[in-house]
Amino acid sequence: AQSVTQLGSHVSVSEGALVLLRCNYSSSVPPYLFWYVQYPNQGLQLLLKYTSAATLVKGINGFEAEFKKSETSFHLTKPSAHMSDAAEYFCAVAYSSASKIIFGSGTRLSIRP
Amino acid sequence: DGGITQSPKYLFRKEGQNVTLSCEQNLNHDAMYWYRQDPGQGLRLIYYSQIVNDFQKGDIAEGYSVSREKKESFPLTVTSAQKNPTAFYLCASSMRGAITGELFFGEGSRLTVL
Repeated sequence: AQSVTQLGSHVSVSEGALVLLRCNYSSSVPPYLFWYVQYPNQGLQLLLKYTSAATLVKGINGFEAEFKKSETSFHLTKPSAHMSDAAEYFCAVAYSSASKIIFGSGTRLSIRP
Repeated sequence: DGGITQSPKYLFRKEGQNVTLSCEQNLNHDAMYWYRQDPGQGLRLIYYSQIVNDFQKGDIAEGYSVSREKKESFPLTVTSAQKNPTAFYLCASSMRGAITGELFFGEGSRLTVL
């Protein structure tokens, strides 16, 4: 079954530190990949998406993600964390043969002052 | 401003009662979706609709029903058959066939069964 796995349900970093949120997908077929962010009691907002163009994708708020086919990964990074980055982040995957997007279980990011 | 409106934001229900969650969009999107969110489980797809008067079951459709009589509206009914209905419900929309595109989400409805 096609799926997406996010390693770590909770990640805590200091303000100014590197943010790394991990995402792996399970399929040999190249997927479309997304990262969404959710602030408390709100809906999700798209951060960035990979659709088979450049493997390094830049998104909003200074986030970026790199598609690595050999590792079936699409990890999200930000060089320097800001307090406003505290939120839950979801990796999602979709395939051209399907008509829906599959979400990972989410990673809650906390920022320490 | 274009967007998705979900109502009510908070809802309390007694066991055995049906409840309907509203979702309206003015983005002129063809496709609409309902997701359920539980802590630590991400988003799970309940139902989705690609065009008016047509909809498909998602991964957890049991105990739920939907209708799509208008392009702008996709209400979700949580029936008494849903064994564990307390959750955060999210409605989303997209351009038709938007696998490479973006889902636009409402702000969610939190249902609590007393």
